Amino acid sequence: EAGVAQSPRYKIIEKRQSVAFWCNPISGHATLYWYQQILGQGPKLLIQFQNNGVVDDSQLPKDRFSAERLKGVDSTLKIQPAKLEDSAVYLCASSLESSRYYEQYFGPGTRLTVT
Amino acid sequence: DQQVKQNSPSLSVQEGRISILNCDYTNSMFDYFLWYKKYPAEGPTFLISISSIKDKNEDGRFTVFLNKSAKHLSLHIVPSQPGDSAVYFCAARGSFGNEKLTFGTGTRLTIIP
Repeated sequence: EAGVAQSPRYKIIEKRQSVAFWCNPISGHATLYWYQQILGQGPKLLIQFQNNGVVDDSQLPKDRFSAERLKGVDSTLKIQPAKLEDSAVYLCASSLESSRYYEQYFGPGTRLTVT
Repeated sequence: DQQVKQNSPSLSVQEGRISILNCDYTNSMFDYFLWYKKYPAEGPTFLISISSIKDKNEDGRFTVFLNKSAKHLSLHIVPSQPGDSAVYFCAARGSFGNEKLTFGTGTRLTIIP
C-alpha cells in the first residue's frame, strides 16, 4: 500500500513570496489533515478535510493560508504572502475516517524555509 | 497555552535497559492519548494509545501508563533497542466535538549500544 505522498520535500523562498504544497493521501482515505511543525514543537493541526469538505480550520491563519481538496482526493496548501515565522515542516496525514483518529498516516513532510 | 507537555527534550538509555518517556497534560477533557514515533526526514508513525478510562495498555515491548489524577502519562520501552532511537511525541485527543489531536513538543530518545 502506497503511503501519503507530499511534494516538494524542500522549499526555500523569500518573505512575501507565495508557495504551494501538494499532498496525495492513501487511496480510500476520506479524511485529510495538514499540520505545521515548527522546529522544537509538536505538529499543530492547520486544517482537516472530510472528503472535500472542511471539518476544522480553526487554527489556519486564513489571511495568508488557504487549502483545498478538490474531488476529495489530492490537496494543496498555499501560503501567500509568506512570513519568516512560516518556516516549518508541513505535514500531511490521512485516515480512513475522522473517528479513527489514531490511524493517521503521515507523509514525509515539506520543509519550508522563508528567508 | 501548551496543553500537552513533554518536559524532557532528550533522553539517553543503554541498550537493553528500560526507557521511560513522560508526558503531562492540563486539559481534563482529553479522552484518548497516543504516542507517535518519528525518524528523521519521515512523518510520525502511530505507536500505541490509551483510553482515558484505562490506566495501562501494553503492546509488545511498549507499555503506556495513564495517571488521570496527576494528568500524567508515560511510555515504557523494555528492553530498549538501537532502532528505538527516534523522537517520540505524546498526543491527546479532545472529546466529542473537538477531536483534533494536540501534540507535545517531543522527546529525542537515543539508545546507546
